[in-house]
Amino acid sequence: QLQLQESGPGLVKPSGTLSLSCTVSGVSISRSTYYWGWIRQPPERGLEWIGNLHYNGNTYYSPSLVSRVTISVDTSKNQVSLRLSSVTAADTAVYYCAGFGDFDAFDIWGQGTMVSVSS
Amino acid sequence: QSALTQPASVSGSPGQSITMSCSGTSSDVGAYKLVSWYQLHAGKAPKLLIYEVNERPSGVSYRFSGSKSGNTASLTISGLQSEDEADYYCCSYAGSSTYVFGSGTKVTVL
Repeated sequence: QLQLQESGPGLVKPSGTLSLSCTVSGVSISRSTYYWGWIRQPPERGLEWIGNLHYNGNTYYSPSLVSRVTISVDTSKNQVSLRLSSVTAADTAVYYCAGFGDFDAFDIWGQGTMVSVSS
Repeated sequence: QSALTQPASVSGSPGQSITMSCSGTSSDVGAYKLVSWYQLHAGKAPKLLIYEVNERPSGVSYRFSGSKSGNTASLTISGLQSEDEADYYCCSYAGSSTYVFGSGTKVTVL
């Protein structure tokens, strides 16, 4: 059964870099045709798509975040990673990783991890 | 790329049907048959309810149905139940391999 689990620091200082990992279990990332995405939800606000990593290695990012975000994969750890640089308080959010499969939709999600940006 | 517009809240009594809208543009909702809907319960992983406008993954109740007209998609919950009380988000493909989510609708079961 495919499962996703986000992990990483819950507190990041302003101007620093947010780094999160998503451990994928139940399928090998290197042999999967899933796309892997990151989505976030700031407090009291809606979901925001951050970006997707396609199984062919291509990445696609939200136009509003493209200058600061990198999504990558570590096949040896079966993990998908998110890096967001130059963070501010506006980047405080619950961060979700999600799998985008046969349904042309995010059909599997992690439970999310809260990241606060504060000094 | 602006968020899709959803009503902030919708409410109904048990057994009733409710419908929530998801308004976009001719560049996202109106352009593609790639609208999906998600249910969020606090502290739990979001759940896919509808994909490709009106398709239900296996295991999702028939009480959830989707539709689209022009630039607006809709999610209907029929036979409203207490466990349907949650936040609901639409999502649309927006071209160039990008996606946009809705602003979210809080469903309250009276």
